[in-house]
Amino acid sequence: GAVVSQHPSRVICKSGTSVKIECRSLDFQATTMFWYRQFPKKSLMLMATSNEGSKATYEQGVEKDKFLINHASLTLSTLTVTSAHPEDSSFYICSARLPQGGYNEQFFGPGTRLTVL
Amino acid sequence: QKEVEQDPGPLSVPEGAIVSLNCTYSNSAFQYFMWYRQYSRKGPELLMYTYSSGNKEDGRFTAQVDKSSKYISLFIRDSQPSDSATYLCAMTPTGANSKLTFGKGITLSVRP
Repeated sequence: GAVVSQHPSRVICKSGTSVKIECRSLDFQATTMFWYRQFPKKSLMLMATSNEGSKATYEQGVEKDKFLINHASLTLSTLTVTSAHPEDSSFYICSARLPQGGYNEQFFGPGTRLTVL
Repeated sequence: QKEVEQDPGPLSVPEGAIVSLNCTYSNSAFQYFMWYRQYSRKGPELLMYTYSSGNKEDGRFTAQVDKSSKYISLFIRDSQPSDSATYLCAMTPTGANSKLTFGKGITLSVRP
């Protein structure tokens, strides 16, 4: 199956710093990628939909200026958490959809655990 | 009422047991139904998917959808310790831009 990687897998940073998380589709081109956030013992919450070459579409309640998303190529999307605070600590997961992919052709990355001190 | 409800668990069963996991939903527009398995500190992995009502079987796993009751199930036969994970149901309407709506997930532990 298609493989999606994320880097870094874990990051610890000080409050007020910015952190960039990369999501790559390794063996396919993804015109659409998704960014999710998952709190302990909670489900995945969609943060934004990232389309290659255009602006991301954010879900209601997600701050665009805080969570910057860039999808500059068909294999790479980045999420930058700007001026991170302890409440931003979470598990961030991306997924990538195959071109012309349907509902089920969405492949998830292994996730990035962010801890803000 | 949340769009997708899933028993929070956790659930612990002995090896070899039959496991039944369930979700209910309120949005009648949902047409595609999926089950994901997520191991600790990993991303979700698609296990099963079903379109509309009906059953689907894949090895030890069977997915059932009852749209009239807005109820979906995942059955695991002959459960193994390696099945220990969090299971999330997800569903979506039709449409190219449809987004997945997930249940909260239930953590399953299969005791050797």
